[in-house]
Amino acid sequence: GAGVSQTPSNKVTEKGKYVELRCDPISGHTALYWYRQSLGQGPEFLIYFQGTGAADDSGLPNDRFFAVRPEGSVSTLKIQRTERGDSAVYLCASSTGGDSGANVLTFGAGSRLTVL
Amino acid sequence: AQSVTQLGSHVSVSEGALVLLRCNYSSSVPPYLFWYVQYPNQGLQLLLKYTSAATLVKGINGFEAEFKKSETSFHLTKPSAHMSDAAEYFCAVSVWGYQKVTFGTGTKLQVIP
Repeated sequence: GAGVSQTPSNKVTEKGKYVELRCDPISGHTALYWYRQSLGQGPEFLIYFQGTGAADDSGLPNDRFFAVRPEGSVSTLKIQRTERGDSAVYLCASSTGGDSGANVLTFGAGSRLTVL
Repeated sequence: AQSVTQLGSHVSVSEGALVLLRCNYSSSVPPYLFWYVQYPNQGLQLLLKYTSAATLVKGINGFEAEFKKSETSFHLTKPSAHMSDAAEYFCAVSVWGYQKVTFGTGTKLQVIP
């Protein structure tokens, strides 16, 4: 697609529920990232994929958070047993990948999660 | 691990005045450095990036940044602020061979007419 698409744009859920957030990256981008942005903070790294595999998941805060990218394109961030502290904007970004590390990230508009 | 520190969570300037947003980095290997901007109700977008080619980097909308190794800094400047520059600005860092990009906490720029 033309840009990075994230759905839903807004999600309100109750404490303890399960949530899935979806990211559709730019076609052909091999690297995909998830970040979390709380109010007044910068994007906090969660995980990135190179192709289908999670190359670095060191930012996932605990085992309630999990992400998949089974076919190397669309990714889903899954949050189990949501807590009020999980409320934030979840950002997805993609890039062309490659070895240099200097790739530019293209961000989606984000999914705003509110846990009541 | 690499990191960036942005000094000043809020900066106010008058329209037409110099914009200076500060970023200092920490990295044990040569870094790649970025500035991203987030306009109200929009996603983050790249302003400019440093990849070791030239220390003075020019970006979009008249912004530029200078890489200073001796000061471990990558400050963002614009000679004359415009009302449309009001946004939040994020400095970010990565290193060769490693795709993880680490962001700073951001600086919100207010432009006063």
